[in-house]
Amino acid sequence: KQEVTQIPAALSVPEGENLVLNCSFTDSAIYNLQWFRQDPGKGLTSLLLIQSSQREQTSGRLNASLDKSSGRSTLYIAASQPGDSATYLCAAADTGRRALTFGSGTRLQVQP
Amino acid sequence: NAGVTQTPKFQVLKTGQSMTLQCAQDMNHEYMSWYRQDPGMGLRLIHYSVGAGITDQGEVPNGYNVSRSTTEDFPLRLLSAAPSQTSVYFCAARRDRGSDTQYFGPGTRLTVL
Repeated sequence: KQEVTQIPAALSVPEGENLVLNCSFTDSAIYNLQWFRQDPGKGLTSLLLIQSSQREQTSGRLNASLDKSSGRSTLYIAASQPGDSATYLCAAADTGRRALTFGSGTRLQVQP
Repeated sequence: NAGVTQTPKFQVLKTGQSMTLQCAQDMNHEYMSWYRQDPGMGLRLIHYSVGAGITDQGEVPNGYNVSRSTTEDFPLRLLSAAPSQTSVYFCAARRDRGSDTQYFGPGTRLTVL
């Protein structure tokens, strides 16, 4: 059974800092790895999706990498802003594309 | 284009009561799913559907029923609510072919007393 772990559970940084969020998964047989953002009391918003054949994806100040062999993905946020404050969730899709297995998230606070 | 909508936003039930959580999408996406989110845990898959008339169980299906009579709607039914079903419920939709991007609804916060 796939298990996804996110470290750290919470992170507080000053504005402007570059930061890395970590995600690890136990079963390397995944279809893709996805990163989501969740604001308090809201639904999830898709940020980046990395197919199993890819190594990284970029969108603006966000860069996500995938290393299937080691069961790890990282989300890099450059020049963090207070508006980046949210919970970030990673999720691994099974090879049948039927289910996402989520980590419990990293709660990020960017201090102005 | 509203994306994925869920009603109600909040609900309080007594143990043993039944209710239906509504989910609708206007993107014509084939795949829809229900997740629950509990404190300190990631989202867990309850049921999913790959199209009208086709549903299947996820990781935590006990106590929940679903049906999919149209592409747009995917309701989740609690037949006899239990306190263990207190949670935030999210519905999601994506294409079954092509892009794997998942679109989530805003969630329903359910409390069972």
